[in-house]
Amino acid sequence: DQQVKQNSPSLSVQEGRISILNCDYTNSMFDYFLWYKKYPAEGPTFLISISSIKDKNEDGRFTVFLNKSAKHLSLHIVPSQPGDSAVYFCAASPGTSYDKVIFGPGTSLSVIP
Amino acid sequence: EPEVTQTPSHQVTQMGQEVILRCVPISNHLYFYWYRQILGQKVEFLVSFYNNEISEKSEIFDDQFSVERPDGSNFTLKIRSTKLEDSAMYFCASRARDRGISYEQYFGPGTRLTVT
Repeated sequence: DQQVKQNSPSLSVQEGRISILNCDYTNSMFDYFLWYKKYPAEGPTFLISISSIKDKNEDGRFTVFLNKSAKHLSLHIVPSQPGDSAVYFCAASPGTSYDKVIFGPGTSLSVIP
Repeated sequence: EPEVTQTPSHQVTQMGQEVILRCVPISNHLYFYWYRQILGQKVEFLVSFYNNEISEKSEIFDDQFSVERPDGSNFTLKIRSTKLEDSAMYFCASRARDRGISYEQYFGPGTRLTVT
């Protein structure tokens, strides 16, 4: 059951450059999307979210873009910092229940100093 | 900054034994959740709890699982008769009341459950 896909298991980026993490979804009922960051031995930490009524949401260095027609979203981190090195999870909820969050498999980001 | 806490950090139990995982959600939050992550796999939704009852549950959350909010602060997950495949990291999460279009959940550090 791959309703939320993150096709890149890992990504390496130079410090100061842009990190782009991609996510695709298959369930057209999803209308709320979130990105979480996870360090080893810790729980996921909320980063940023976007509702399907918007196509962009920005919070500091983090911007999420949503393309509903393509069922695709992306997280941009600019500029990337070594402390951003973590696993990033894309997650989605259907409009019928914001309680049920479906996670993608994650992308491991390494920011190289 | 308020945070979700979970105890114990690591629980080892024998197959067939009952185990209770404990969580203290953020104090003014109203919605509570359990997730699990089997090693090397994705985070999976188990159950959500609101107003003292289950609001959503996944196919994983079968009769072996139950949740409870026994007092005003704790939120527990009980596994009645553990199986080897229950070995995983279990995360508790909570969120505040609905705020417009913002529904982010805040996660605890997790309890690693090892069933032998």
